[in-house]
Amino acid sequence: AQSVTQLDSQVPVFEEAPVELRCNYSSSVSVYLFWYVQYPNQGLQLLLKYLSGSTLVKGINGFEAEFNKSQTSFHLRKPSVHISDTAEYFCAVSDGGAQKLVFGQGTRLTINP
Amino acid sequence: GAVVSQHPSWVICKSGTSVKIECRSLDFQATTMFWYRQFPKQSLMLMATSNEGSKATYEQGVEKDKFLINHASLTLSTLTVTSAHPEDSSFYICSARLTGGRETQYFGPGTRLLVL
Repeated sequence: AQSVTQLDSQVPVFEEAPVELRCNYSSSVSVYLFWYVQYPNQGLQLLLKYLSGSTLVKGINGFEAEFNKSQTSFHLRKPSVHISDTAEYFCAVSDGGAQKLVFGQGTRLTINP
Repeated sequence: GAVVSQHPSWVICKSGTSVKIECRSLDFQATTMFWYRQFPKQSLMLMATSNEGSKATYEQGVEKDKFLINHASLTLSTLTVTSAHPEDSSFYICSARLTGGRETQYFGPGTRLLVL
């Protein structure tokens, strides 16, 4: 069975500072990895995804993530955050077969002015 | 592209009544749709996988007679919460996967259900 662990439930940062949201996964098969963002009272928006190929994946809104197979991690980064980045961020994994997504617990990113 | 809508966006109902939530893929065909439930400040939990023209596959612990899922067309799936009780109050989110697409799910905006 697959699982996803987001190591930080809350991450407060100052505006224009860099941020890293951590995600580790466990799976016995090859995986697809995703980061989604959820703004209050809304559904999820895809930020980026890793399917294969380059381990550094660039997404929307200036976010990027790096797939590290040996460390089973898929950390999300942004070099300079903005107030509008305040949201809940979810890491998710699927096994490429049944295509079901397993989500992490979420990380609440709060940007302070 | 790849827009998913849900209706209603929020609903309040009395205990014992049934509520239907619609999930539509607006600009693509979706053979497979998924229904999730999200409690406040928690992650999304998959309830069921809905395949067009066939019965839904429910996750362990989800009552299929309580959460009826119908996927009658390539653009519409419905979730009916039957005989709703206050503990069914939650945020319900659907997602859709492109027909022929294998990996990315596109999510709807969610439906907030409050059962009094």
